[in-house]
Parts: sequence; structure tokens; C-alpha cells
Amino acid sequence: GAGVSQTPSNKVTEKGKYVELRCDPISGHTALYWYRQSLGQGPEFLIYFQGTGAADDSGLPNDRFFAVRPEGSVSTLKIQRTERGDSAVYLCASSRAGEQFFGPGTRLTVL
Amino acid sequence: GDSVTQMEGPVTLSEEAFLTINCTYTATGYPSLFWYVQYPGEGLQLLLKATKADDKGSNKGFEATYRKETTSFHLEKGSVQVSDSAVYFCALPHAGGTSYGKLTFGQGTILTVHP
Repeated sequence: GAGVSQTPSNKVTEKGKYVELRCDPISGHTALYWYRQSLGQGPEFLIYFQGTGAADDSGLPNDRFFAVRPEGSVSTLKIQRTERGDSAVYLCASSRAGEQFFGPGTRLTVL
Repeated sequence: GDSVTQMEGPVTLSEEAFLTINCTYTATGYPSLFWYVQYPGEGLQLLLKATKADDKGSNKGFEATYRKETTSFHLEKGSVQVSDSAVYFCALPHAGGTSYGKLTFGQGTILTVHP
């Protein structure tokens, strides 16, 4: 079956702009995670959904970052007023109370 | 808080050489421990796991033993292949326990294997 998919694969934007990153989890997976991976570093946790609700958003760096999962499937990570420091690969993972399966990521570049 | 420390990289080896990538952790309780691998152009994949002390996880010729006394989970392979070239991440779930919660990752170790 299909794995976790993320769109777009690459996003280039200008400082101050708004961006949305999308994640399509594996069908039937109730848990969904967002991570951010900066160059040369391991992924860092951002937010975790169980169903439609954010069970843990302690990793969101500030109020410019927001994520939703309105129907308990697809999730969108939204970044307002982007800064150059937001440049990274944003990873999504899903699970059904077990192993996390990761998508290929969205590479965000803020110029 | 929970943390994971991996050996400094990158690591460059010849084919059939022995591989060790060190990983130590700080955590509450006795969490499960994981090794993830990221092949070029692909997403993160779970390589192996151990759920309790003295457990040995293994997959694709790789092994790692959960050492509670030394809080370590070193990754080893007796004979590496060119196809093992990838980035390897040690990871543990937050808040201890064996549940697959949000993960804390090490910084990653780049492995390059030459023919």
C-alpha cells in the first residue's frame, strides 16, 4: 500500500511569506507526527496528533507555527511570517499505536 | 530531559569492514530504543529496536544491544556493504516506557562504504 506522502517536495519562499506543508498519512493510522530536520542534525519533534486533536504541541518553536488535522487524516503544517531560520526539511510520520512510518519530507528554503 | 548522543561522524569504511556507531542516552526509566536509517533520497526507516534491558535488536546484519548499565545502544555490523551507505540515527521515545511516542533523535552518523 501507499506510504506517507508529503507535498510539495520542495518549497522556496521569501522571508515574511506564509507557507503550508501537507502530509497524507497511511490510511487507518490514527497518530500523526511532524518533525523538523535542520542540516546535519537529527529530526526534532514539533507536534503530535491523535485523531483530530493535537495531543502534544510542545515542540512548536513559536506562535508562527500551527498545524491542523481537521478530519483525522491529512494534516497541514502552517508557518506564518517565515524567517531564514525556518529553512529545514519538514518530516511527517504516522503510526497506528506502533512504529512510526516517515514520509520523504518537504525541503523548505526561505530566502 | 531525555537526550541521545551519537558518535561524531562521518564514518568512511571499505567494503567488508567492521562497523560500530556509538549511541548513549539519558532518559527517565527504561525506554525502548531504536536505530533508524536514511538511505540517499529516501525517508527515514526503522532499522531495528529493543524494548528492554539486555534485548538485542537485529536486522539486515546489523545488531544493537540495550545496555542499561552503560545507557548505551551501539550499532554494529560485522561486514559492511556499499549498499549500507546511509545516515544512521539513534532514537528513543519521550517520557520513558515502551510506548512508541514522539521520538528524540541523535544527530545522525553518515556512513560511506567504498568498494
